[in-house]
Parts: sequence; C-alpha cells; structure tokens
Amino acid sequence: DAKTTQPNSMESNEEEPVHLPCNHSTISGTDYIHWYRQLPSQGPEYVIHGLTSNVNNRMASLAIAEDRKSSTLILHRATLRDAAVYYCILYSGGGADGLTFGKGTHLIIQP
Amino acid sequence: NAGVTQTPKFQVLKTGQSMTLQCAQDMNHEYMSWYRQDPGMGLRLIHYSVGAGITDQGEVPNGYNVSRSTTEDFPLRLLSAAPSQTSVYFCASKTPGHLNTEAFFGQGTRLTVV
Repeated sequence: DAKTTQPNSMESNEEEPVHLPCNHSTISGTDYIHWYRQLPSQGPEYVIHGLTSNVNNRMASLAIAEDRKSSTLILHRATLRDAAVYYCILYSGGGADGLTFGKGTHLIIQP
Repeated sequence: NAGVTQTPKFQVLKTGQSMTLQCAQDMNHEYMSWYRQDPGMGLRLIHYSVGAGITDQGEVPNGYNVSRSTTEDFPLRLLSAAPSQTSVYFCASKTPGHLNTEAFFGQGTRLTVV
C-alpha cells in the first residue's frame, strides 16, 4: 500500500488558519487522498478527499500538489473543537477495501 | 439518523471469556468493517464484509470471528479473550468500492481483558 508521512504533532492558536501537511511520494494514479480526524475518545470522522484538484467543503480545504506527491489540509479558522488527530490516507479501494491509518498528526489548539 | 451504533461502550473481560461486540448501521451500506486501535497507533483492519453472507479477513484477524446475516448488523466475536486484545474497537460502514465516498465510524468499544 502507498504510504503517507505526517508530522507527529502541530500546534496552532485559536482562530488562526492551520496547514497540515502530508507527503505521499509513492502515490499511484488511482489513489484518492482522504483526510479523517479523530476527536478525543471518538471514532474517526471524514473531513475531505480529492484526486487531483483542490477541494473545499464546510469543514476544510484540501490543496493537492501538481505532482500529487504531497497535499495540505487547511483549516481556515481553527477552534478548540478542531483539536484532534488528523489522518491523511491514500485510498484506492480493491482487496479489503479498507482505510490504512498511520499515526496521524496530533493537532493542538491553544486558546 | 443514528449512523453506526456500537454496543457496549465499555467492557472488562477476564482472560478466556467470550463476548460479542455489536455494530449496527442504518444507512443501507453494503460494506462494513471492524478496526482495532491500540494506544498511540492508527486503526488496523480486523475483518470486513461486502454484503450479507460475505466476510473476509483484514490485517489482524486472529482471535476474532465475524458473521453478516443482515445488511444492518456486523457483530465481532471474541471466543477466548486474551490480554493482547485489550484495545478500542471501531466499526465502520460505507458504500463498497466507491473511492469518492466516505466511511462512517461508530463511537467505539473500549475493551479491557484482565
């Protein structure tokens, strides 16, 4: 499976933008880039996904490099509720059709 | 809309005991799966199912059994619990094979085996 590399942790201030990076240099042409987050003591929840173009939704934006070897999840205005572990996942279906979770980035939001 | 519901939320078992973790979804998803999460780690796939009557093994299936008699339910059975199975268990569901769709996760079952 193609792997992703994320920083172990990041810290940001409330009401400021947050840019969470993800490297995936071995991405294949059919891999979608999915982001999930896990709030404390909860199950993962979907944030956003994309293939080649940048994507926006109500939760976040996803910026994908032109060569697709990296991507950045952007939280435009972080709140304390955004403190969570964020997982960048390459998903191509097939086989077990499961999601391969790494250790993710622990995002700390300072008030 | 309940989504994915897991019961119980917490459970303590003695080594050798058996139990069933329940998972139900109301979104008519064909694909359901079970993950375990150990401290400081990401989730690892235990078993999955692409529809009623069809199950298969994931990355860490040993010590666990599953069955899928209905679209809605996907129970996970521990036949003889071991301390190594102490973990948080998550059930998930989604539309199978669609790369453009999201997975929905339950709130988890925190299992301790003593």
